Amino acid sequence: TQLLEQSPQFLSIQEGENLTVYCNSSSVFSSLQWYRQEPGEGPVLLVTVVTGGEVKKLKRLTFQFGDARKDSSLHITAAQPGDTGLYLCAGEDSGYALNFGKGTSLLVTP
Amino acid sequence: NAGVMQNPRHLVRRRGQEARLRCSPMKGHSHVYWYRQLPEEGLKFMVYLQKENIIDESGMPKERFSAEFPKEGPSILRIQQVVRGDSAAYFCASSPEGAPYGYTFGSGTRLTVV
Repeated sequence: TQLLEQSPQFLSIQEGENLTVYCNSSSVFSSLQWYRQEPGEGPVLLVTVVTGGEVKKLKRLTFQFGDARKDSSLHITAAQPGDTGLYLCAGEDSGYALNFGKGTSLLVTP
Repeated sequence: NAGVMQNPRHLVRRRGQEARLRCSPMKGHSHVYWYRQLPEEGLKFMVYLQKENIIDESGMPKERFSAEFPKEGPSILRIQQVVRGDSAAYFCASSPEGAPYGYTFGSGTRLTVV
């Protein structure tokens, strides 16, 4: 099983601030996905990145896949309270199963 | 379009009882995956099924756990003789094909063993 390390584990910021969270591995992934999970709910897919160096934007969220396809980052601009949640990265492991990191828990206060 | 439907949302069982968790995939999705989320741990893959077939159950505990996805009806994750360590959130996900370029997860079943 390929390990995915996410950092930071916890992040508490004020509305309007920018932030970056990281997902790192020593293994190469053919694709990597980011999910957001709210308390009591299942993860919701935000983005899938496939190509090394790929950058995808989703409104105020910017996702980047490392050139070597071993790491990824998520940058949020001007965070809002609605961004609060657990951000999970997941790499394709065996062609269908996903290997998840433990997540970054983000709290954005007004 | 209904998403992935899981029921029940919450399930309380006494030690030694059986737990049955149900999952109806999204319309048009024929691939179902079960994951378990323990406190302070990430989501862990348990089993991958297609209609009437278990494709990979490498993440399932060897005893007491079983899964099925019959031709008709929902996928079922069955836990026999539950123990306290089985308490967790169990999530089902579905996709239209085997390559996981986008899972759709259900809201999960939170199992509490007392």
